[in-house]
Amino acid sequence: NFILTQPHSVSASPGKTVTISCTGSSGSIASNYVQWYQQRPGSAPTIVIYEDNQRPSGVPDRFSGSIDSSSNSASLTISGLKTEDEAAYYCQSYDSSNYWVFGGGTKLTVL
Amino acid sequence: DVQVVESGGGLVHPGGSLRLSCEASGFTFSTYSMNWVRQAPGKGLEWVSYISGGSATVYYAASVKGRFTISRDNAKNSLYLQMHSLRAEDTAVYYCASLNSAYWYFDLWGRGTLVSVSS
Repeated sequence: NFILTQPHSVSASPGKTVTISCTGSSGSIASNYVQWYQQRPGSAPTIVIYEDNQRPSGVPDRFSGSIDSSSNSASLTISGLKTEDEAAYYCQSYDSSNYWVFGGGTKLTVL
Repeated sequence: DVQVVESGGGLVHPGGSLRLSCEASGFTFSTYSMNWVRQAPGKGLEWVSYISGGSATVYYAASVKGRFTISRDNAKNSLYLQMHSLRAEDTAVYYCASLNSAYWYFDLWGRGTLVSVSS
């Protein structure tokens, strides 16, 4: 089974930068694109990054994504943190056996 | 407005059945692949099932294969999930989500419908 592992929680102060990691269990995470979703409490998820590092229209450029093949991981970086960024963030990729796979989610607290 | 709205959730006993519906509006439903994604209370997201625009291709997560059936009626702009042999671990909010046709990410989500499996 292909598994994406994320830290359970991260925290940072307003105005700071935070990075959330997403590590693939096998194969190369670079083999399939990684997406990132934001989910605020009580709401459905929304896309913030697709195809590793692309931002949909309407997502501020404070959000960026990257891939590090050496660690088989993807990262979501949010700079200039705002209180409205407080949410759960999920990475997601694709596996030929398991189809669409989500990471366990990371709760971001903006202190 | 472009939206999808789920319905059909509720409380069901273990071993029971339930049919979820998702009604789409504001876009050409038949041209979009659709999915069901679920989220157990306080837990993360889990993809459940996929269906192509013309229903020719369907996929299921291993956890529901053989028990759940996805279908759609493009004339009614509707997506369905028939669930049988329900288990406690199927308890979750079930979201209907369209798949972006160019980049294959889940781009339009509904508010979800809660399925509770309990005796």
